[in-house]
Amino acid sequence: GEDVEQSLFLSVREGDSSVINCTYTDSSSTYLYWYKQEPGAGLQLLTYIFSNMDMKQDQRLTVLLNKKDKHLSLRIADTQTGDSAIYFCAEEGEGSGNTGKLIFGQGTTLQVKP
Amino acid sequence: KAGVTQTPRYLIKTRGQQVTLSCSPISGHRSVSWYQQTPGQGLQFLFEYFSETQRNKGNFPGRFSGRQFSNSRSEMNVSTLELGDSALYLCASGTDQETQYFGPGTRLLVL
Repeated sequence: GEDVEQSLFLSVREGDSSVINCTYTDSSSTYLYWYKQEPGAGLQLLTYIFSNMDMKQDQRLTVLLNKKDKHLSLRIADTQTGDSAIYFCAEEGEGSGNTGKLIFGQGTTLQVKP
Repeated sequence: KAGVTQTPRYLIKTRGQQVTLSCSPISGHRSVSWYQQTPGQGLQFLFEYFSETQRNKGNFPGRFSGRQFSNSRSEMNVSTLELGDSALYLCASGTDQETQYFGPGTRLLVL
């Protein structure tokens, strides 16, 4: 079945790097996504990676994809207090064939200490 | 470009009532998806509409329904509300080749 797993909590000091990990089950996903949710807000798309890529870098964000192990990670360099939020990993739903149905992990709460 | 908008932002209903939520997608986006977010179940896919047709459906009871209009705006309806329907309802829009962009959500409280 479809399942996305994430660790629930990560605490880092301001200025350190944060690494949030995710495992997924559907190897047919074309894209894998990272979203950020701040308290009381909707989901903000942070970045996504095409399934035939190993890595994608976007300013302070680096996404690594290991298709063999079905493992996705998000690295945030120079983490700031404004990065404190819940981070969701998502894969495309099985058989959806498009980006209309996403399966989300439980979310990782990132706490950044000053 | 304006983002995805959802109305209303907050809603309080009582058990047994029905509710209609609205979502206006980003201009040019023809796909609209709906998700329910609760502390216990997390983010769960409800359904997706594309060009006025339901294209994908999640595992929710028939009390949850939706539709999409010719201008791509979408509504979702929940009939016979239960306490467990209290949640943040998120709408997302996209194109066939692009990812989903989410709105701010409608927070529904059922008393």
